[in-house]
Amino acid sequence: SQELEQSPQSLIVQEGKNLTINCTSSKTLYGLYWYKQKYGEGLIFLMMLQKGGEEKSHEKITAKLDEKKQQSSLHITASQPSHAGIYLCGADLLNRDDKIIFGKGTRLHILP
Amino acid sequence: DTGVSQDPRHKITKRGQNVTFRCDPISEHNRLYWYRQTLGQGPEFLTYFQNEAQLEKSRLLSDRFSAERPKGSFSTLEIQRTEQGDSAMYLCASSLLRAETQYFGPGTRLLVL
Repeated sequence: SQELEQSPQSLIVQEGKNLTINCTSSKTLYGLYWYKQKYGEGLIFLMMLQKGGEEKSHEKITAKLDEKKQQSSLHITASQPSHAGIYLCGADLLNRDDKIIFGKGTRLHILP
Repeated sequence: DTGVSQDPRHKITKRGQNVTFRCDPISEHNRLYWYRQTLGQGPEFLTYFQNEAQLEKSRLLSDRFSAERPKGSFSTLEIQRTEQGDSAMYLCASSLLRAETQYFGPGTRLLVL
């Protein structure tokens, strides 16, 4: 079974609309990372969350880690074509500060 | 540009051939990681180094795979006797210290025919 579940698997939204992507784990998330990936390219770091209840924002993207540290959400406000891509959540599930376990990703398409 | 670099970006090889990929981490980053990503999946951890020491290897890393980081700077990942199932994107990442953000390179896309 997948240790990190992302939902939805894919998302199509009209430009200008808001959207939310979720990342859920059955284990405690000791470090939660959000990355963005364009098809065929490497991962671009977006944000890292560590503390329960933590929330970070960068431009129009906001990420939150819930109090129990088992779920994170990524929210995009007023989506733009440049937001299209694959959003990956990754986590340190062992509290060892080494490897990241990734979800399968959410594919976001923005309609002009 | 001082980001993580990988070479080559693309590699097509025939089954049974050996291939080697190189990763140059961000300067002064102590940790270097290798991941593999197949179509429609997230990256999967393969191995990582702290300086020149290889500290962990995933069960995904069969005997045909070997990784080195001889001087604690760049790293190489070699696949011997490639199989079609090895076709994937091989990603390298580096970080300064434990619990620090991992920064990824552009990846090497391998196709085994």
